[in-house]
Amino acid sequence: DQQVKQNSPSLSVQEGRISILNCDYTNSMFDYFLWYKKYPAEGPTFLISISSIKDKNEDGRFTVFLNKSAKHLSLHIVPSQPGDSAVYFCAASERGSNYKLTFGKGTLLTVNP
Amino acid sequence: DAGVIQSPRHEVTEMGQEVTLRCKPISGHNSLFWYRQTMMRGLELLIYFNNNVPIDDSGMPEDRFSAKMPNASFSTLKIQPSEPRDSAVYFCASGSPAAGVTDTQYFGPGTRLTVL
Repeated sequence: DQQVKQNSPSLSVQEGRISILNCDYTNSMFDYFLWYKKYPAEGPTFLISISSIKDKNEDGRFTVFLNKSAKHLSLHIVPSQPGDSAVYFCAASERGSNYKLTFGKGTLLTVNP
Repeated sequence: DAGVIQSPRHEVTEMGQEVTLRCKPISGHNSLFWYRQTMMRGLELLIYFNNNVPIDDSGMPEDRFSAKMPNASFSTLKIQPSEPRDSAVYFCASGSPAAGVTDTQYFGPGTRLTVL
């Protein structure tokens, strides 16, 4: 049973527009959430994270929003650039097992010039 | 820094053969992780080492899989005997988490394993 779900396998947006990637989780013990980006033939690289005590974290063009009551988080990329084209993974860790990341299956983002 | 180094990058073997995947973590990192990525199950944690000691191997699928970390700069993941269903991309990652804090994990480029 998937505890972290990314229901959109792919997303296509125009350069300069906003990209919104969504993630839902079922485990109420998750207290820390991360987004990783992955290019082909490379390993995932850390992008941005958020603790459950916050509802928003921003880093340049990337913002993560957390809605604990809905068990939902989203990653906003503004403005989107062609170099952002990659697979984005949502991940979560549980209180007391902070090393253990549970990943979603990923969303392939394509940013068209 | 060279990042996490994995070898080989690609491995093709026949069913029943032994496969050994290798990982060199980032110098100074005290945590090491082995992950497997498949289409069906996504990215899943196989085993976690802290200070060269296996802490959590609950993700290791069965006894055919074993992992070792003889020192801080080297780890292996062995599959013996290999089966076609083991075909996947295997990632090694390292990090330095503070107690009680989820730390960034740095991933290697992965080893794509194909078992015929």
